[in-house]
Amino acid sequence: DTAVSQTPKYLVTQMGNDKSIKCEQNLGHDTMYWYKQDSKKFLKIMFSYNNKELIINETVPNRFSPKSPDKAHLNLHINSLELGDSAVYFCASSGGGRGGTGTGELFFGEGSRLTVL
Amino acid sequence: QKEVEQDPGPLSVPEGAIVSLNCTYSNSAFQYFMWYRQYSRKGPELLMYTYSSGNKEDGRFTAQVDKSSKYISLFIRDSQPSDSATYLCAMSMGTGGFKTIFGAGTRLFVKA
Repeated sequence: DTAVSQTPKYLVTQMGNDKSIKCEQNLGHDTMYWYKQDSKKFLKIMFSYNNKELIINETVPNRFSPKSPDKAHLNLHINSLELGDSAVYFCASSGGGRGGTGTGELFFGEGSRLTVL
Repeated sequence: QKEVEQDPGPLSVPEGAIVSLNCTYSNSAFQYFMWYRQYSRKGPELLMYTYSSGNKEDGRFTAQVDKSSKYISLFIRDSQPSDSATYLCAMSMGTGGFKTIFGAGTRLFVKA
Protein backbone atom coordinates (compact mmCIF):
# COMPACT_ATOMS: atom_id res chain seq x y z
CA ASP A 1 0.00 0.00 0.00
CA THR A 2 1.80 3.12 -1.27
CA ALA A 3 2.28 5.80 1.40
CA VAL A 4 2.56 8.84 -0.88
CA SER A 5 1.24 8.35 -4.38
CA GLN A 6 1.20 10.85 -7.19
CA THR A 7 -0.24 10.73 -10.67
CA PRO A 8 0.62 10.81 -13.42
CA LYS A 9 4.20 9.53 -13.32
CA TYR A 10 4.99 10.95 -16.73
CA LEU A 11 3.64 13.95 -18.61
CA VAL A 12 4.78 15.08 -22.04
CA THR A 13 3.10 18.20 -23.32
CA GLN A 14 3.51 21.23 -25.52
CA MET A 15 4.43 24.73 -24.42
CA GLY A 16 1.42 26.79 -23.49
CA ASN A 17 -0.68 23.86 -22.30
CA ASP A 18 -2.08 23.44 -18.79
CA LYS A 19 -1.46 20.31 -16.72
CA SER A 20 -2.27 18.98 -13.26
CA ILE A 21 -0.53 16.55 -10.92
CA LYS A 22 -2.35 14.87 -8.07
CA CYS A 23 -0.97 13.59 -4.79
CA GLU A 24 -2.44 11.54 -1.99
CA GLN A 25 -0.92 10.31 1.27
CA ASN A 26 -2.29 7.64 3.57
CA LEU A 27 0.13 8.26 6.44
CA GLY A 28 -2.21 10.50 8.39
CA HIS A 29 0.30 13.34 8.12
CA ASP A 30 -0.76 16.94 8.62
CA THR A 31 1.67 18.56 6.21
CA MET A 32 2.17 18.07 2.50
CA TYR A 33 4.66 19.60 0.09
CA TRP A 34 5.54 20.06 -3.54
CA TYR A 35 9.21 19.94 -4.44
CA LYS A 36 10.80 20.48 -7.85
CA GLN A 37 13.92 18.55 -8.84
CA ASP A 38 15.82 19.87 -11.82
CA SER A 39 18.08 17.96 -14.20
CA LYS A 40 21.03 18.40 -11.83
CA LYS A 41 19.10 16.69 -9.05
CA PHE A 42 18.71 19.88 -7.05
CA LEU A 43 15.55 19.53 -4.95
CA LYS A 44 13.78 22.77 -4.12
CA ILE A 45 10.62 23.35 -2.11
CA MET A 46 7.74 25.07 -3.87
CA PHE A 47 4.74 24.89 -1.54
CA SER A 48 3.66 23.43 1.74
CA TYR A 49 0.21 22.91 3.21
CA ASN A 50 -0.64 22.11 6.78
CA ASN A 51 -4.13 20.70 7.22
CA LYS A 52 -5.34 22.43 4.03
CA GLU A 53 -3.72 25.76 4.91
CA LEU A 54 -0.89 27.15 2.77
CA ILE A 55 2.13 27.72 5.03
CA ILE A 56 5.05 27.86 2.62
CA ASN A 57 4.91 29.61 -0.71
CA GLU A 58 8.35 29.99 -2.21
CA THR A 59 9.19 32.29 -5.10
CA VAL A 60 7.29 30.36 -7.72
CA PRO A 61 5.60 31.82 -10.83
CA ASN A 62 1.89 32.31 -10.27
CA ARG A 63 1.31 29.92 -13.17
CA PHE A 64 1.73 27.28 -10.47
CA SER A 65 -1.31 26.89 -8.25
CA PRO A 66 -1.51 24.29 -5.51
CA LYS A 67 -4.76 23.14 -4.01
CA SER A 68 -5.43 20.98 -0.98
CA PRO A 69 -9.02 19.72 -0.75
CA ASP A 70 -8.23 17.88 2.49
CA LYS A 71 -5.13 17.08 4.48
CA ALA A 72 -4.55 13.80 2.63
CA HIS A 73 -4.51 15.39 -0.82
CA LEU A 74 -2.43 18.06 -2.49
CA ASN A 75 -2.68 18.85 -6.17
CA LEU A 76 -0.59 21.07 -8.40
CA HIS A 77 -1.94 22.85 -11.44
CA ILE A 78 0.40 24.50 -13.92
CA ASN A 79 -0.87 26.99 -16.50
CA SER A 80 0.82 28.07 -19.71
CA LEU A 81 3.66 25.58 -19.46
CA GLU A 82 7.14 26.74 -20.41
CA LEU A 83 10.26 24.81 -21.42
CA GLY A 84 11.87 25.66 -18.07
CA ASP A 85 9.08 23.86 -16.24
CA SER A 86 10.50 20.53 -17.38
CA ALA A 87 11.55 18.74 -14.21
CA VAL A 88 10.50 16.02 -11.80
CA TYR A 89 7.88 17.20 -9.34
CA PHE A 90 7.80 15.40 -6.02
CA CYS A 91 5.00 15.37 -3.53
CA ALA A 92 5.97 14.73 0.09
CA SER A 93 4.35 14.61 3.49
CA SER A 94 5.49 14.87 7.08
CA GLY A 95 3.90 14.30 10.44
CA GLY A 96 4.62 17.68 12.05
CA GLY A 97 1.69 19.95 12.71
CA ARG A 98 1.96 23.70 12.42
CA GLY A 99 3.75 25.21 15.42
CA GLY A 100 5.12 21.85 16.37
CA THR A 101 8.71 20.71 16.26
CA GLY A 102 8.81 19.66 12.62
CA THR A 103 11.81 17.42 12.24
CA GLY A 104 12.03 17.59 8.49
CA GLU A 105 11.45 13.87 8.05
CA LEU A 106 9.81 13.81 4.68
CA PHE A 107 8.11 10.93 2.93
CA PHE A 108 8.25 11.34 -0.83
CA GLY A 109 6.21 10.01 -3.68
CA GLU A 110 7.94 8.56 -6.72
CA GLY A 111 7.75 11.79 -8.67
CA SER A 112 5.99 13.07 -11.76
CA ARG A 113 8.35 13.65 -14.65
CA LEU A 114 7.17 16.61 -16.72
CA THR A 115 8.60 17.23 -20.16
CA VAL A 116 7.57 20.39 -21.98
CA LEU A 117 8.29 20.39 -25.73
CA GLN B 1 26.05 31.58 -1.51
CA LYS B 2 23.62 28.66 -1.24
CA GLU B 3 22.32 27.80 2.21
CA VAL B 4 23.56 24.23 1.81
CA GLU B 5 26.59 23.27 -0.25
CA GLN B 6 27.22 19.72 -1.41
CA ASP B 7 29.67 18.43 -3.99
CA PRO B 8 27.57 16.80 -6.72
CA GLY B 9 30.27 14.31 -7.65
CA PRO B 10 30.05 11.83 -9.23
CA LEU B 11 32.00 9.75 -6.77
CA SER B 12 33.15 6.32 -7.91
CA VAL B 13 34.59 3.80 -5.44
CA PRO B 14 35.34 0.05 -5.45
CA GLU B 15 33.18 -2.32 -3.47
CA GLY B 16 34.24 -2.49 0.16
CA ALA B 17 35.59 1.08 0.28
CA ILE B 18 34.73 3.59 2.97
CA VAL B 19 32.76 6.46 1.52
CA SER B 20 32.69 9.95 2.98
CA LEU B 21 30.01 12.41 1.90
CA ASN B 22 29.90 15.96 3.19
CA CYS B 23 27.86 19.13 3.30
CA THR B 24 28.45 22.59 4.62
CA TYR B 25 25.78 25.10 5.50
CA SER B 26 25.53 28.76 6.37
CA ASN B 27 22.42 29.05 8.58
CA SER B 28 23.30 28.43 12.22
CA ALA B 29 19.59 28.07 13.03
CA PHE B 30 19.45 24.61 11.50
CA GLN B 31 18.83 22.01 14.21
CA TYR B 32 17.78 18.88 12.33
CA PHE B 33 20.14 17.22 9.90
CA MET B 34 19.24 14.43 7.55
CA TRP B 35 20.62 12.30 4.79
CA TYR B 36 18.31 11.06 2.08
CA ARG B 37 19.12 8.38 -0.47
CA GLN B 38 17.59 8.56 -3.92
CA TYR B 39 17.77 5.70 -6.38
CA SER B 40 17.36 6.41 -10.06
CA ARG B 41 13.78 7.37 -10.98
CA LYS B 42 12.60 7.08 -7.39
CA GLY B 43 11.75 9.54 -4.65
CA PRO B 44 14.27 10.33 -1.91
CA GLU B 45 14.08 8.17 1.23
CA LEU B 46 15.27 9.16 4.65
CA LEU B 47 18.48 7.32 5.52
CA MET B 48 19.79 9.04 8.64
CA TYR B 49 18.50 11.75 10.95
CA THR B 50 20.40 13.65 13.64
CA TYR B 51 19.33 16.36 16.00
CA SER B 52 21.93 19.04 16.76
CA SER B 53 25.60 18.05 17.02
CA GLY B 54 26.98 14.57 17.47
CA ASN B 55 27.25 11.19 15.83
CA LYS B 56 24.66 8.60 14.97
CA GLU B 57 25.36 5.10 13.74
CA ASP B 58 23.03 2.69 11.95
CA GLY B 59 24.63 -0.45 10.59
CA ARG B 60 27.20 0.52 7.96
CA PHE B 61 26.14 4.18 8.06
CA THR B 62 27.40 6.90 10.40
CA ALA B 63 26.18 10.48 10.38
CA GLN B 64 28.19 13.26 12.00
CA VAL B 65 27.17 16.82 12.71
CA ASP B 66 29.59 19.55 13.74
CA LYS B 67 27.51 22.66 14.33
CA SER B 68 30.52 24.75 15.31
CA SER B 69 31.95 24.23 11.83
CA LYS B 70 28.57 24.05 10.09
CA TYR B 71 29.62 20.75 8.58
CA ILE B 72 27.86 17.41 8.32
CA SER B 73 29.12 14.07 7.08
CA LEU B 74 27.84 10.65 6.14
CA PHE B 75 30.20 7.68 6.22
CA ILE B 76 29.41 4.40 4.53
CA ARG B 77 31.54 1.45 5.57
CA ASP B 78 32.04 -1.66 3.42
CA SER B 79 30.25 -0.01 0.52
CA GLN B 80 28.16 -2.24 -1.72
CA PRO B 81 26.99 -1.88 -5.33
CA SER B 82 23.48 -1.52 -3.90
CA ASP B 83 24.64 1.71 -2.24
CA SER B 84 24.94 3.29 -5.70
CA ALA B 85 22.52 6.20 -5.57
CA THR B 86 22.36 9.95 -5.09
CA TYR B 87 22.79 11.05 -1.47
CA LEU B 88 21.19 14.34 -0.49
CA CYS B 89 21.95 16.12 2.74
CA ALA B 90 19.06 18.09 4.18
CA MET B 91 18.44 20.29 7.15
CA SER B 92 15.70 22.25 8.83
CA MET B 93 15.18 24.60 11.73
CA GLY B 94 12.53 22.29 13.06
CA THR B 95 10.00 24.89 14.05
CA GLY B 96 7.52 27.16 12.34
CA GLY B 97 7.72 26.85 8.61
CA PHE B 98 8.89 23.22 8.36
CA LYS B 99 11.09 24.14 5.44
CA THR B 100 13.66 21.47 4.67
CA ILE B 101 16.59 22.69 2.60
CA PHE B 102 18.42 20.15 0.48
CA GLY B 103 21.94 20.03 -0.83
CA ALA B 104 22.52 19.38 -4.51
CA GLY B 105 23.07 15.65 -3.91
CA THR B 106 26.20 13.55 -4.50
CA ARG B 107 25.98 10.76 -7.04
CA LEU B 108 27.77 7.67 -5.75
CA PHE B 109 28.80 4.68 -7.84
CA VAL B 110 30.11 1.57 -6.10
CA LYS B 111 31.84 -0.77 -8.53
CA ALA B 112 31.69 -4.52 -7.97
